[in-house]
Amino acid sequence: GAVVSQHPSWVICKSGTSVKIECRSLDFQATTMFWYRQFPKQSLMLMATSNEGSKATYEQGVEKDKFLINHASLTLSTLTVTSAHPEDSSFYICSGREKETQYFGPGTRLLVL
Amino acid sequence: SQQGEEDPQALSIQEGENATMNCSYKTSINNLQWYRQNSGRGLVHLILIRSNEREKHSGRLRVTLDTSKKSSSLLITASRAADTASYFCATGGGSYIPTFGRGTSLIVHP
Repeated sequence: GAVVSQHPSWVICKSGTSVKIECRSLDFQATTMFWYRQFPKQSLMLMATSNEGSKATYEQGVEKDKFLINHASLTLSTLTVTSAHPEDSSFYICSGREKETQYFGPGTRLLVL
Repeated sequence: SQQGEEDPQALSIQEGENATMNCSYKTSINNLQWYRQNSGRGLVHLILIRSNEREKHSGRLRVTLDTSKKSSSLLITASRAADTASYFCATGGGSYIPTFGRGTSLIVHP
């Protein structure tokens, strides 16, 4: 199947700093990518839908100024957590769709101290 | 969005036994997909079944789909310790924004 990569896989940062997470589709073009976050032993919660060349669509309750999404090309979407706080610590997962199938990245674990 | 809900929430079996987990959904779908997530990892796509299909096999996996009941089941035969993971279903429709339920946490004891 298709491959989606994420970078970094792990990040620890101080409260107040910004963190950028990259999501790349390695062997397919993804017009649309999705960003999720997952707390321990919980389900994946959809944060936003990222569309290449246009603004992202955010789910209710997700602050667009807090979680900046840029989908600059058909193979790259980035999520920037601005002014991160400890409550932003979570597991962030992106996915890209190829035809009917959704392929997920390996996730990025963010720990904000 | 179209959310699938998995049942049971937790399942504990011995190696070699079969594991069955179910998924229910509410809206019309074009397809339904099952995923596996190992602890702390991303989701791995297991199998896709289309709305006009009733059953599909892939190795030790067997998926059924009953669109009249809006439900699907995933059967893992001859389970192995390596099958220990969380399993999620996600439904696909026109706009296809996959959303997930809590998943079924499967533990296979060696």
